[in-house]
Amino acid sequence: QAVVTQPASLSASPGASASLTCTLRSGINVGNYRIYWYQQKPGSPPQYLLRYKSDSDKQQGSGVPSRFSGSKDASANAGILLISGLQSEDEADYYCMIWLSSAGVFGGGTRLTVL
Amino acid sequence: EVQVVESGGGLVQPGGSLRLSCAASGFTFSSFWMSWVRQAPGKGLEWVANIKQDGSEKYYVDSVKGRFTISRDNAKNSLYLQMNSLRAEDTAVYYCARGQQVDYWGQGTLVTVSS
Repeated sequence: QAVVTQPASLSASPGASASLTCTLRSGINVGNYRIYWYQQKPGSPPQYLLRYKSDSDKQQGSGVPSRFSGSKDASANAGILLISGLQSEDEADYYCMIWLSSAGVFGGGTRLTVL
Repeated sequence: EVQVVESGGGLVQPGGSLRLSCAASGFTFSSFWMSWVRQAPGKGLEWVANIKQDGSEKYYVDSVKGRFTISRDNAKNSLYLQMNSLRAEDTAVYYCARGQQVDYWGQGTLVTVSS
């Protein structure tokens, strides 16, 4: 079982909200970790969006709109990236990452389609 | 403006070696952990290695341990990745990225391992 799992794809309509999940393997408690989120568009390097551990430990990336936000679902052992007011420009691949014993671990990424 | 610029990629035969460089500017390089992250063609992100501010701690993904060495020269604001015993599966775009947040990425440098 992978350490970090993301759904391969997600579709949503313009103006709607999209909730992207980042599920940690059983035994790795999401409550103990900062979840980092990145957006990557075709032909470009990833861009840092935000990190989220709790409402008191979170950070928005420089210039990242507030309609991108982070949260957690403890019952699902998952981090969540919420994108509200979807725009066509939000169509991209999204990756989450955690630091596990000083080593970085990325999820496999979610391709978000806005249609 | 924060910038990281990778160089040194190219075509190399299996078993060969290559040294990647990353030139950093616009921030106090010696104050940040630094990472290498790679992305195979059409695939997701994979964290490769990171190094502490003073070079005293280094961590690697299992698949490159014993073959790759990360290093830095704070006087030159530069990060390096020495890659030995290269394999076809090391073919990827290699990104240099700043900090524990991995918040600034370069454009990447392509490494192709093929005979």
